[in-house]
Amino acid sequence: EAQVTQNPRYLITVTGKKLTVTCSQNMNHEYMSWYRQDPGLGLRQIYYSMNVEVTDKGDVPEGYKVSRKEKRNFPLILESPSPNQTSLYFCASGWAENSYEQYFGPGTRLTVT
Amino acid sequence: GQQVMQIPQYQHVQEGEDFTTYCNSSTTLSNIQWYKQRPGGHPVFLIQLVKSGEVKKQKRLTFQFGEAKKNSSLHITATQTTDVGTYFCAGVPYYKYIFGTGTRLKVLA
Repeated sequence: EAQVTQNPRYLITVTGKKLTVTCSQNMNHEYMSWYRQDPGLGLRQIYYSMNVEVTDKGDVPEGYKVSRKEKRNFPLILESPSPNQTSLYFCASGWAENSYEQYFGPGTRLTVT
Repeated sequence: GQQVMQIPQYQHVQEGEDFTTYCNSSTTLSNIQWYKQRPGGHPVFLIQLVKSGEVKKQKRLTFQFGEAKKNSSLHITATQTTDVGTYFCAGVPYYKYIFGTGTRLKVLA
């Protein structure tokens, strides 16, 4: 089954404790991206990657890191999480056959206390 | 920076009524996409519009892309309870995606 998987789905952590949210896709997509979703603000792009080893900042990259060592994986790293990073995070992949369509993962709900 | 404004923020309709949501971008877009997110779910792609003035239909849904490629609309005819959710437009200037804030649709049976 074609899908984007994220882990963990739920995470409660404390300020300053490094964490990684994994994202994997099995559709051989070139493009991958991370978003955060907050009430009233919609989806905001954190980072995106157009291909392996090619990443760039979205609109809200501060406090986040990413890496794209393999085509299928695109982890999101919070080196020192803070309460303002409490949010719902979505990973997405896409770009195949002349379409910019994105497929979203199920989401990771992160709470930083 | 680039912005995509979407209105209205909320819309409650009686089942069978029509519904429209609008997107306006501060810059010209290479294409615009629409997504639907059911409560508790993840965004799901509906359609992509690329050409100036393009109109596409999917059953009861009609999508339009403005002539200047800076605005778009989604119209649902005769809403059903299955249409409940939040509808997002996403402008794609180049490689970035800029999502609108979404329109949350509630359909009253």
